[in-house]
Parts: sequence; structure tokens; C-alpha cells
Amino acid sequence: ELHLVESGGGTVQPGESLRLSCVASEPNYSWVAWVRQAPGKGLEWVASIDQDDRETNYVDSVQGRFMVSRDKAARSVYLQMNDLRVDDTATYYCVRERVGVYDSWGQGTQVIVAS
Amino acid sequence: EIVLTQSPDTLSVSPGERATLSCRASQTIVNNYLAWYQQRPGQRPRLLIYAATTRATGIPDRFFGSGSGTDFTLTINGLGPEDFAMYYCQHYTSLPRTFGQGTKVEI
Repeated sequence: ELHLVESGGGTVQPGESLRLSCVASEPNYSWVAWVRQAPGKGLEWVASIDQDDRETNYVDSVQGRFMVSRDKAARSVYLQMNDLRVDDTATYYCVRERVGVYDSWGQGTQVIVAS
Repeated sequence: EIVLTQSPDTLSVSPGERATLSCRASQTIVNNYLAWYQQRPGQRPRLLIYAATTRATGIPDRFFGSGSGTDFTLTINGLGPEDFAMYYCQHYTSLPRTFGQGTKVEI
């Protein structure tokens, strides 16, 4: 069973940056996505990256500010978040994506953007 | 962007009863690429159903997915205490992937 562990969350001010990391317990040859959940709210897909680090996709609200990347040797996926806004405040989950289905979820890492 | 609307927002049921949750899409979900997730309080979501009707590994058969096109249903038979949770539908037929707003199943 694949385990995903996120880290890197924290509290920052608007306009600042954070880099989230996600480490897999075993080699993962699937797409990986980041899905976020604002406090008391529903789920929102944020970004995805393919198994070969060639293709990435983003929700419009983060396009140009967030960048997803991966290091296969390190079994890691990263989410670089720049120019953070208050409405980026959420728990960010790293998930394995198989044909668009999110079948393994990390425990999440919390990001708070506040002045 | 495909908008998914779940109903009701909250469903009050008793243990042992059946719960019926609805997910309606703003346009046809091609190939019935629709999934359901359960999220218990304070926990991460977990996949229940994909391709509208296929249970994920380890999901008990009291969870039943049905529907096609724009209307989908998650039925939970014989609710146990662990089934009181939030449930979300999600499509994966195109980008962006979107989720419904969720249905809370409560006692």
C-alpha cells in the first residue's frame, strides 16, 4: 500500500512563498496531484504532474503562481507556491492520481496565509 | 468547467437505514468518469467508488454507485456508525477536475 507524507506547510504573509514536499513510501509510477481543502470547506484540485515530469496541469486560480515538480529518485513531489494569497489558506493533500481518480491520500499539510 | 451539485447538503438518517446521495453534473460526464469519496471528521478523504459504479479496493458492498450522463447516486445500505461522514463526488472526464460541495450524512 502506497503511503504519502506531506511536509512544508506553515504560516506566511500574503505575497510570500512556501514549498510543499510529498514523499512516497515506494516508487510511484503514476500521476500525482495536489488537492486542497480550505477550513470547513470542500475539496479543490490544485495541480497535477505526470510520472515523467513532462506534463503539468493547474487550476486557473494558481496558474503562474504555483509550480509542481518531482524527483523520481527521491520518490518526491513538490509544490512551489509563490505570491500566496489569503484564499490559498487550506490543508494541502498529496494524492496518487490514476486515470484521474485519487486513490491514495497523504495526511495533509496546513498552509495559513494571513497578515 | 463542469460543475457538480450534490444534494442534499445534509442528510439525517438512523443507524441501519439507507442513505441516498445525489450528484448532478452541469454537462454530460463522458465515460461515466465519476468518483465518490468519504471523509470522516479530522481524516483524509478516501476513495469509495470510481467509474460511477466500481467499488475501490476494500470498500464494503453496502456502498453502491449508480447513474450515468449527468445524474449519479451513491447509496449506502445499512448505515454503520463509521459511515457518518462527508461524501464528495468528483468528475475526471476533463480539466479542471472538480468536486461537488459535499453531502454530510449525520445521525
